[in-house]
Amino acid sequence: DAGVTQSPTHLIKTRGQQVTLRCSPKSGHDTVSWYQQALGQGPQFIFQYYEEEERQRGNFPDRFSGHQFPNYSSELNVNALLLGDSALYLCASSLSRASHYGYTFGSGTRLTVV
Amino acid sequence: LAKTTQPISMDSYEGQEVNITCSHNNIATNDYITWYQQFPSQGPRFIIQGYKTKVTNEVASLFIPADRKSSTLSLPRVSLSDTAVYYCLVGDIAGTGFQKLVFGTGTRLLVSP
Repeated sequence: DAGVTQSPTHLIKTRGQQVTLRCSPKSGHDTVSWYQQALGQGPQFIFQYYEEEERQRGNFPDRFSGHQFPNYSSELNVNALLLGDSALYLCASSLSRASHYGYTFGSGTRLTVV
Repeated sequence: LAKTTQPISMDSYEGQEVNITCSHNNIATNDYITWYQQFPSQGPRFIIQGYKTKVTNEVASLFIPADRKSSTLSLPRVSLSDTAVYYCLVGDIAGTGFQKLVFGTGTRLLVSP
């Protein structure tokens, strides 16, 4: 049973560019959440998708957008990259009515903005 | 969402028991307590969850006093592979699945030989 798969694992972008990160949820899960984790900090919630709609959003600017596809996979897009966007981006999948223990995280995408 | 406070770091030796305490003074009636473990360059992994008293699984125990204003994660006989960051989270069990996990800075546990 595959867990959460994220791609790519590492990425280097230049300031001002745009980036797309991808996530395939755990089999059977229908909800995808994205988190940003800066070095030495805990993960910060970006947004959550269910039934191809954004259900909740954290305190992130509109430069951060996402999408969920009919097969439950998801993309995170970041426009006009800033140096401060350098972080580990984590995808977590869950069932729509799961409590905390239902969340499964991927290993993340390490984004470096230069 | 109730805020949590944990020690920034802890040191231990192999074979010892480690207890990490988390304070959550403003915990609400519907809130439950969950602990995650995170290794470098990996996503957090669920360890244990509880509402009150004591919960035990194959990995850890969670002790929650009657007032629920704190909780203690207990790791029996730690090994080097238990070196990680441990996060305490508090959230509403009655909510829908559309919950966002609120992480603090966690506790960095270093286990030495």
